[in-house]
Amino acid sequence: DAGVIQSPRHEVTEMGQEVTLRCKPISGHDYLFWYRQTMMRGLELLIYFNNNVPIDDSGMPEDRFSAKMPNASFSTLKIQPSEPRDSAVYFCASSDGQGAWEKLFFGSGTQLSVL
Amino acid sequence: ELKVEQNPLFLSMQEGKNYTIYCNYSTTSDRLYWYRQDPGKSLESLFVLLSNGAVKQEGRLMASLDTKARLSTLHITAAVHDLSATYFCAVEDDKIIFGKGTRLHILP
Repeated sequence: DAGVIQSPRHEVTEMGQEVTLRCKPISGHDYLFWYRQTMMRGLELLIYFNNNVPIDDSGMPEDRFSAKMPNASFSTLKIQPSEPRDSAVYFCASSDGQGAWEKLFFGSGTQLSVL
Repeated sequence: ELKVEQNPLFLSMQEGKNYTIYCNYSTTSDRLYWYRQDPGKSLESLFVLLSNGAVKQEGRLMASLDTKARLSTLHITAAVHDLSATYFCAVEDDKIIFGKGTRLHILP
């Protein structure tokens, strides 16, 4: 398996623009997570899905952030409009949730810079 | 709200020395995870600890879990430069929350 695939690897955009981050989880994994990593806050859980259904979005910072999972093999995280404080590395992770979360498999991340 | 605290946040040590990283958490969870992150890279799972008293070892790293004390430790034995990375603990409650990470720098 290719692992969790995220795109793009790097995104540079201007304040006010819409940004869409993409994630393909490992096939067969029922859980998908979006995390954001910054030096100040560390790794923050933004939202997670189970069987394509959002379970907990309490970590989504504002209404400017939205996430979807239209099918088992694809998820998006959208920021509209983007702001400089959104600059961070965004990780997607998946797990099979067998009994417990067991371990998360992380993608390579998207480095987002909002100018 | 679940809190996960690691210490130290930064550790510089000589090769060959032993050291321990601590992870304290505020919930009664008995599921704890350790991850490694190399600079500019993603996170990689190291250990999964699923019960009180669980101990896992891989090479020079050993992780343990004491759910009564709400404490996990990651012990490094005879450190080598290749172990330089940031180490995160993560606790599962109704979701998985990460500590801030411990940046480990091992001097040759």
